[in-house]
Amino acid sequence: EVQLVESGGGLVQPGGSLRLSCAVSGFTFSDHYMDWVRQAPGKGLEWVGRTRNKANSYTTEYAASVKGRFTISRDDSKKSVSLQMNSLKTEDTAVYFCARGGSTYREFDYWGQGTLVTVSS
Amino acid sequence: IQLTQSPSSLSASVGDRVTITCRASQGISTYLAWYQQKPGNAPKLLIYATSTLQSGVPSRFSGGGSGTDFTLTISSLQPEDFATYYCQQFDSYPPTFGGGTKVEIK
Repeated sequence: EVQLVESGGGLVQPGGSLRLSCAVSGFTFSDHYMDWVRQAPGKGLEWVGRTRNKANSYTTEYAASVKGRFTISRDDSKKSVSLQMNSLKTEDTAVYFCARGGSTYREFDYWGQGTLVTVSS
Repeated sequence: IQLTQSPSSLSASVGDRVTITCRASQGISTYLAWYQQKPGNAPKLLIYATSTLQSGVPSRFSGGGSGTDFTLTISSLQPEDFATYYCQQFDSYPPTFGGGTKVEIK
């Protein structure tokens, strides 16, 4: 069974930092792209960024809204992907989901349950 | 690429045929997916590549369209289908989502 479990969410002040983690099981992690998607309270979905697999040199992509502030990394040996968030803003408040890139790399076929990040003073 | 879903909400009865539309601001080939999200839960992939049903998804769900106009159809609405539905494109970076369509019980 494919499972993705996020952790690390919480309350942080504007300008602060937070690191989210996503531990996976049930599939060959190293083969897959991994993404982060967020959802502000009561709002829709926003893609945050992606890490490609080893075959594609672990390259990353980011949404313009987080580029330069957020960094995605992965550890294939631990089957985990992380989202380092710096210079946090109140508008970064959201539930953050990790998601697996699907078979065409153009969809997200499995999602974690999400972890809430609240940026507030 | 912006995605506009319509309607933003609808009321329907069990057994009804429901169609949700997603319009892209420019052509997006076939890289269009649909997700279902229930309150407090993560989104669930229903359809990808416009019309390919994700494994385990009931056949009452179907997708179609091309270019800029796409549809999600539920042929006979079931009680467990009341949820919010999102379309998503990945023709180019960044992937984007539609604003969602909330399907409620009439």
